[in-house]
Amino acid sequence: EAQVTQNPRYLITVTGKKLTVTCSQNMNHEYMSWYRQDPGLGLRQIYYSMNVEVTDKGDVPEGYKVSRKEKRNFPLILESPSPNQTSLYFCASNVPGSLEQYFGPGTRLTVT
Amino acid sequence: DAKTTQPPSMDCAEGRAANLPCNHSTISGNEYVYWYRQIHSQGPQYIIHGLKNNETNEMASLIITEDRKSSTLILPHATLRDTAVYYCIVRVATYSGGSNYKLTFGKGTLLTVNP
Repeated sequence: EAQVTQNPRYLITVTGKKLTVTCSQNMNHEYMSWYRQDPGLGLRQIYYSMNVEVTDKGDVPEGYKVSRKEKRNFPLILESPSPNQTSLYFCASNVPGSLEQYFGPGTRLTVT
Repeated sequence: DAKTTQPPSMDCAEGRAANLPCNHSTISGNEYVYWYRQIHSQGPQYIIHGLKNNETNEMASLIITEDRKSSTLILPHATLRDTAVYYCIVRVATYSGGSNYKLTFGKGTLLTVNP
């Protein structure tokens, strides 16, 4: 089954404690991205990757890092989380040449 | 991207067809119509897309008017699990840069399927 997986699904952490949210897709898509979704602000892109070792900033990259060492994986790293990064995070991968995107189930992060 | 207009909410009885409209009167010739939905706090889900011909897949049908200024997403037999916010997006067909793949939603239509 074609899917995007994320882990963990829920995470409560404290300010400054580094964390990584993993994302993996089994569709061999080159393009992957991370979004955050907040009430009233909609879906906002954090980072995206066009292919292995090719990443670029989206609209809200501050406080986040990503890496793309393999095509299937695209982890999101918060080096020093802060309460304003409390949000619902989605990873997605894209069918080439299309806006057909497949999303993971989401990671609900709370930073206290 | 062409601007889209959708009703804020709609109701549908379970088992009946749900017809969700979208106006995109400023659409240009190289823009596709995409539909997504998001069930509460779940990941957005791609439904269908089309350029000018009607399209059908296992989830839904997409009817695009001949002038392409509006479209209708049809869920033929709505179930309670189809209760979600549905988003209509118009986007060009070519993707020369990474930012072109960025997905942004408007307010969408909250479809409530009632028993």
